[in-house]
Amino acid sequence: GENVEQHPSTLSVQEGDSAVIKCTYSDSASNYFPWYKQELGKGPQLIIDIRSNVGEKKDQRIAVTLNKTAKHFSLHITETQPEDSAVYFCAASSVGNTPLVFGKGTRLSVIA
Amino acid sequence: KAGVTQTPRYLIKTRGQQVTLSCSPISGHRSVSWYQQTPGQGLQFLFEYFSETQRNKGNFPGRFSGRQFSNSRSEMNVSTLELGDSALYLCASSSYRVTNTGELFFGEGSRLTVL
Repeated sequence: GENVEQHPSTLSVQEGDSAVIKCTYSDSASNYFPWYKQELGKGPQLIIDIRSNVGEKKDQRIAVTLNKTAKHFSLHITETQPEDSAVYFCAASSVGNTPLVFGKGTRLSVIA
Repeated sequence: KAGVTQTPRYLIKTRGQQVTLSCSPISGHRSVSWYQQTPGQGLQFLFEYFSETQRNKGNFPGRFSGRQFSNSRSEMNVSTLELGDSALYLCASSSYRVTNTGELFFGEGSRLTVL
């Protein structure tokens, strides 16, 4: 089955700097790659997703890139703000009736 | 539109007991998935229900079970609790049958502590 590795497990950046979180997946059939943000005491919330027919997607300060050949995808957050501090999860799933498989998460701290 | 509601939010049990957690999905959503979240393992898939039928099951022992009712509300049950079952149990609903076609909406979770 699918296996998703996520790095780093913790990340500290200064406010205004960029943050990058990387994930690799094992199943070449995977075609859907969402990113979820979990704030303290809350459930994860989708922030951006990308499908295998697209190499990059942007939404304001957030972007995701996908390299299907290398089987890895990354989340890029520019101009970080204190409210970006949270745990971020990447996930992957393939076609058909397969559930999302999540990485183990990255705790991002943005220092003001 | 109300979000996903999970009850109870916190509970403490002792080893050997059983527990039932409840999840009310967003109105109109027919798919409910359950995940176990622990600090070391992240989010691990337990099972998914759609139209009262279990569609997928993760790699958890038979002590973990669930069901879905005709109104799409779902419950999960853990019998013969072990210390390692201490975790945050998250429920997520989706309007789509398969989770790779759309967004999962998560509840705030039920935090289970086993003593």
